Amino acid sequence: GNSVTQMEGPVTLSEEAFLTINCTYTATGYPSLFWYVQYPGEGLQLLLKATKADDKGSNKGFEATYRKETTSFHLEKGSVQVSDSAVYFCALIFRSNDYKLSFGAGTTVTVRA
Amino acid sequence: EPEVTQTPSHQVTQMGQEVILRCVPISNHLYFYWYRQILGQKVEFLVSFYNNEISEKSEIFDDQFSVERPDGSNFTLKIRSTKLEDSAMYFCASSRLAGAQGTQYFGPGTRLLVL
Repeated sequence: GNSVTQMEGPVTLSEEAFLTINCTYTATGYPSLFWYVQYPGEGLQLLLKATKADDKGSNKGFEATYRKETTSFHLEKGSVQVSDSAVYFCALIFRSNDYKLSFGAGTTVTVRA
Repeated sequence: EPEVTQTPSHQVTQMGQEVILRCVPISNHLYFYWYRQILGQKVEFLVSFYNNEISEKSEIFDDQFSVERPDGSNFTLKIRSTKLEDSAMYFCASSRLAGAQGTQYFGPGTRLLVL
């Protein structure tokens, strides 16, 4: 079946450090890929998405590129801030008539001043 | 910017009681969803709803669960007889399109505690 594997956390960084969160997927075909973020005490917010191979999603300084050859969608940010402290979820939706998002386990990121 | 809202934000109930979780999806969206996240675990899909009927449901969504769109704006999840293991954060989501082209927007969640 379709599944998402995320780098396990927690991840602790200093401000202005480089952040990478690895995400790989297993799916037959070409899913759409998403990163969602959950700030403390809040719900899930869409951070970025990519719907086809080689697409790059970007938002708030975060980027992720849909790599078909490695079935990956790693999240990166060049210089993190304390306000980026959150739980990050990689997710996929498979087919055009599929309804459910399949989520990774989530990676907790803490950025220290 | 339009957003999905959910009420209540927290609910505590006794085992065996019925609970109804409420959601107001984004107004021009056609597809509605419920997910849950048990503490420390993955976000799991429960059910999707379109055109006044369930379009897909997971094996978690058994006979104790039901969904309804009672009017043009609300979308509800009912748990008929709660169990301890129903304690979780429940997220409502909506999307304008389905599948790979549809981006699902989530509400802030309802934290349900069953005692």
